[in-house]
Amino acid sequence: GAVVSQHPSRVICKSGTSVKIECRSLDFQATTMFWYRQFPKQSLMLMATSNEGSKATYEQGVEKDKFLINHASLTLSTLTVTSAHPEDSSFYICSARDNRETNYGYTFGSGTRLTVV
Amino acid sequence: AQKITQTQPGMFVQEKEAVTLDCTYDTSDPSYGLFWYKQPSSGEMIFLIYQGSYDQQNATEGRYSLNFQKARKSANLVISASQLGDSAMYFCAMRARGSQGNLIFGKGTKLSVKP
Repeated sequence: GAVVSQHPSRVICKSGTSVKIECRSLDFQATTMFWYRQFPKQSLMLMATSNEGSKATYEQGVEKDKFLINHASLTLSTLTVTSAHPEDSSFYICSARDNRETNYGYTFGSGTRLTVV
Repeated sequence: AQKITQTQPGMFVQEKEAVTLDCTYDTSDPSYGLFWYKQPSSGEMIFLIYQGSYDQQNATEGRYSLNFQKARKSANLVISASQLGDSAMYFCAMRARGSQGNLIFGKGTKLSVKP
């Protein structure tokens, strides 16, 4: 089956530092990667959509300079939270479009729990 | 606009009984896909079941079945013979427009299975 490896699973960082989250598709090509954010006891909210080799498309209200997304290859997409602050503490999860339509086309990473102190 | 509505913030069910989790959706597209995911406390999203708008029969996957009522725009998840391990958040989702459309999620229902 399709697998998306997401790292790190948990990270604690100091306010003002940057954190990089990686999502790697292990056995398929992810032409599109979706990045979601989930606050405690809330739903998944789409932050941005990235396509391999092009700039990411951000949802309204998401600061593109703060949440840098890179999708340089068909198997790797990264989300960098720059100058993190406590309000950025959240659960971040990626979802790759699987061109083989495994799971009807969407494979999720296991998520990253970010805590900014 | 496309929207998913889950009106049950929390549900309780006795072990071994069946439970229905409600989901209604709104879209003007004739072609759409509906998904159910389970999210345990660890956070991973576990795909449960899919229903396409043109599918003639309700989808089933083991203990999971989807009660698809197109005219009412509802796609309720039925879990039969509940197990303690079924305790989790359950999200209904719909694929957004476009061939590379993202998933739009409802607010979720927290299911608690009582022994």
